[in-house]
Amino acid sequence: EVKLVESGGGLVQPGRSLKLSCAASGFSFNDYWMGWVRQAPGKGLEWIGEINQDSSTINYTPSLKDKFTISRDNAQNTLYLQMSKLGSEDTAIYYCARARRYNYFDYWGQGVMVTVSS
Amino acid sequence: DIVLTQSPVLAVSLGQRATISCRASQSVSISSINLMHWYQQKPGQQPKLLIYRASNLASGIPARFSGSGSGTDFTLTIDPVQADDIAAYYCQQSRESPNTFGAGTKLELK
Repeated sequence: EVKLVESGGGLVQPGRSLKLSCAASGFSFNDYWMGWVRQAPGKGLEWIGEINQDSSTINYTPSLKDKFTISRDNAQNTLYLQMSKLGSEDTAIYYCARARRYNYFDYWGQGVMVTVSS
Repeated sequence: DIVLTQSPVLAVSLGQRATISCRASQSVSISSINLMHWYQQKPGQQPKLLIYRASNLASGIPARFSGSGSGTDFTLTIDPVQADDIAAYYCQQSRESPNTFGAGTKLELK
């Protein structure tokens, strides 16, 4: 069974950093692109970015490229999202997802909440 | 960025057909490959893949869901609508990075 479990969320002060993790199991992690998507409260889905199997290609949505860094550890079957200079606009549920060929997401984690507030 | 436009709300009666549209600001097709995908999201849950590459039903999804379209205009059809289908529906394009989602269509009961 494919499982994606995000962790590392919580309450963080504006301007601080936070690193999210996504533990993958039930499939060969190093064979797949992976991605991050977020959803602000009551809003729609926002594509954050994606990373290929060997981390040689990482794509971001331009507005987040200078704040967020996607990485992965294939030995640990874990995907990461490093977030810096957080602001209230970054308050959202953050989902990790497995990408298939042509970059659609076939499995999603349950999401982790990040709240940016003083 | 490619902008995807969806109607915010669609009201439908149980047992009827629901047609949800998604229009892209530029073509999301490459030759015969249509890089548009559809997801369902219920309150408090993560999104679920319904349709990939415009018309391919994802694993485990009932046959009452179908997708069509090419170029800039795409449609998700639910026929017949069941109570369990009341949810938000999002289109996503992967033709160009950054990939983008539509703002979503909330399916409501009439």
